[in-house]
Amino acid sequence: SQQGEEDPQALSIQEGENATMNCSYKTSINNLQWYRQNSGRGLVHLILIRSNEREKHSGRLRVTLDTSKKSSSLLITASRAADTASYFCATDRIYNQGGKLIFGQGTELSVKP
Amino acid sequence: SQTIHQWPATLVQPVGSPLSLECTVEGTSNPNLYWYRQAAGRGLQLLFYSVGIGQISSEVPQNLSASRPQDRQFILSSKKLLLSDSGFYLCAWKVYTEAFFGQGTRLTVV
Repeated sequence: SQQGEEDPQALSIQEGENATMNCSYKTSINNLQWYRQNSGRGLVHLILIRSNEREKHSGRLRVTLDTSKKSSSLLITASRAADTASYFCATDRIYNQGGKLIFGQGTELSVKP
Repeated sequence: SQTIHQWPATLVQPVGSPLSLECTVEGTSNPNLYWYRQAAGRGLQLLFYSVGIGQISSEVPQNLSASRPQDRQFILSSKKLLLSDSGFYLCAWKVYTEAFFGQGTRLTVV
């Protein structure tokens, strides 16, 4: 069953604007990860946040985690046309056999030049 | 460095034909291996995972099977494809936390 749900499903912004994507999940987790997928390609890992962390930064990316609300957000600042892609959150659940990552439905981001 | 190879990139197969997709990993030992399927415009559905040679766990009942004959080789198979098997298949490996994905195989069953 799907663990994560992202919103919005699609987001269209202008270059230079910030993009915020949200993810909600259902069960307790060890960590939550964000991935990026260019059209028709494999996924690339962006950033990981552990369950005992509340915020993490990596370059233009900022991730927050609220375990009480079982939600996370990914902020991309000063977006560029090259940021156009689909973004997925993935959860690594507690007592997880096989280290499985369960992915949400994704947010399709379009950054217009 | 670690790399993952997945082939073929695209495949068109008739209904009822067999399927074999292969994935190999280089540069790591005893990885956890995964097969995901992605329908158009949707998220990833976990199909199978493996924590070691010959150890396969299935996440959803379906027309597909998986095998791991070697430590770094993961194969997705079907004896008879259905139209509903069409999709984008992704292989991934994971040792600690983050997963590394292959480039995917776009399968169209006609």
